Amino acid sequence: AQSVTQPDIHITVSEGASLELRCNYSYGATPYLFWYVQSPGQGLQLLLKYFSGDTLVQGIKGFEAEFKRSQSSFNLRKPSVHWSDAAEYFCAVGGLNFGNEKLTFGTGTRLTIIP
Amino acid sequence: DAGITQSPRHKVTETGTPVTLRCHQTENHRYMYWYRQDPGHGLRLIHYSYGVKDTDKGEVSDGYSVSRSKTEDFLLTLESATSSQTSVYFCAMSGAGTEDIQYFGAGTRLSVL
Repeated sequence: AQSVTQPDIHITVSEGASLELRCNYSYGATPYLFWYVQSPGQGLQLLLKYFSGDTLVQGIKGFEAEFKRSQSSFNLRKPSVHWSDAAEYFCAVGGLNFGNEKLTFGTGTRLTIIP
Repeated sequence: DAGITQSPRHKVTETGTPVTLRCHQTENHRYMYWYRQDPGHGLRLIHYSYGVKDTDKGEVSDGYSVSRSKTEDFLLTLESATSSQTSVYFCAMSGAGTEDIQYFGAGTRLSVL
């Protein structure tokens, strides 16, 4: 069965500092990987996705993520965070073998930004 | 968000009563999904639909039923609500391609007292 682990429940970062959110997955084939962001009271918005090709993917709002097959990881990074980045971030895994309906989400990482 | 709306946005109900949540999309997407979001669990799939009248169970389907009589509408029904079904419910939609992403509604906060 596929699974996603986000080991950090809550992270606090100073505005302007760099950010890395961790995501590890378990999947029996080539995974499709996603990062979603959820602002308070809102639905989930896709930040970026990996299907194939270049393992460093760029997303919206200045985020990027790197797929490392050897480490089963897909960590999210941003070089300089803004107060508006405070939100909850979800990593998800799916794949060609199972289609859209088999997207599995991690438990999320809540990001707090301090001045 | 991206042509998908949920109603109601908030609901308070009593244990044992039936509840129906509605998801409506204007994108003519084939797939629709219902998730629930709970602290410490992330999002878990309840049911999904891959076409009109075609539905299947997800990870946490017990106590829930769904119906899809039109492409644009996907209903989630709690036949007899329980306190354990207090949660935030999200609807999502996607195209039929394997690289189509899921777009989410804004959510429905349900409290079962």
